[in-house]
Amino acid sequence: QSVLTQPPSASGTPGQRVTISCSGSSSNIGTNTVNWYQQLPGTAPKVLIYNNNQRPSGVPDRFSGSKSGTSASLAISGLQSEDEADYCCAVWDDSLNGPVFGGGTKLTVL
Amino acid sequence: QVTLKESGPVLVKPTETLTLTCTVSGFSLSNGKMAVSWIRQPPGKALEWLAHIFSNDETSYNTSLKNRLTISKDTSKSQVVLTMTNMDPVDTATYYCARTPYDDFWGGYVRNYYYYYMDVWGKGTTVTVSS
Repeated sequence: QSVLTQPPSASGTPGQRVTISCSGSSSNIGTNTVNWYQQLPGTAPKVLIYNNNQRPSGVPDRFSGSKSGTSASLAISGLQSEDEADYCCAVWDDSLNGPVFGGGTKLTVL
Repeated sequence: QVTLKESGPVLVKPTETLTLTCTVSGFSLSNGKMAVSWIRQPPGKALEWLAHIFSNDETSYNTSLKNRLTISKDTSKSQVVLTMTNMDPVDTATYYCARTPYDDFWGGYVRNYYYYYMDVWGKGTTVTVSS
């Protein structure tokens, strides 16, 4: 069982806005910055958001991240079919002295 | 262009030791606040961080696997090596290495991170543990 809790699935129609939540604790999200990764089927993860809300170059501004207390969220606006993937959150955990990953959320574009 | 490539055996037997190599290009293993991490993903399951090594050779391990892991680097070869002892079928997974930029500060005796994330990943190597 993951230290970070994510819903196992989410869905939306093209053009819609969807959000994916990530719930943690004071030793991880409550203290450190959150990152989000996208994993397309059969490929390696790719960073979408780092440092809570920063996008690497090349990541569309349709993707945004936020954090409040011990929870974080990834929002995807203008949903596209190519957004169908697994999304997971990650953050450094002070108690475990290492980064932890969420269980992942499988996003389906209907 | 920054790239990382994992290599190692496809199949190992239970109790054997796994040795994986990550060969990097486009950045140095000895400069700046840059680490290389190993992460694994069992089939259909979540990502799990295993270990990292900083440019100054400082290492850190997943506490639940610490006794089985060793990470090291050979800067001259641009390689980071991970060994995992006493392999078990539950260790069957895709193993990734990833460049990990970070910025840290010390709060008393505790290291804290302004940021720590994996920005470039290798394609991964799949390891099956079976007799």
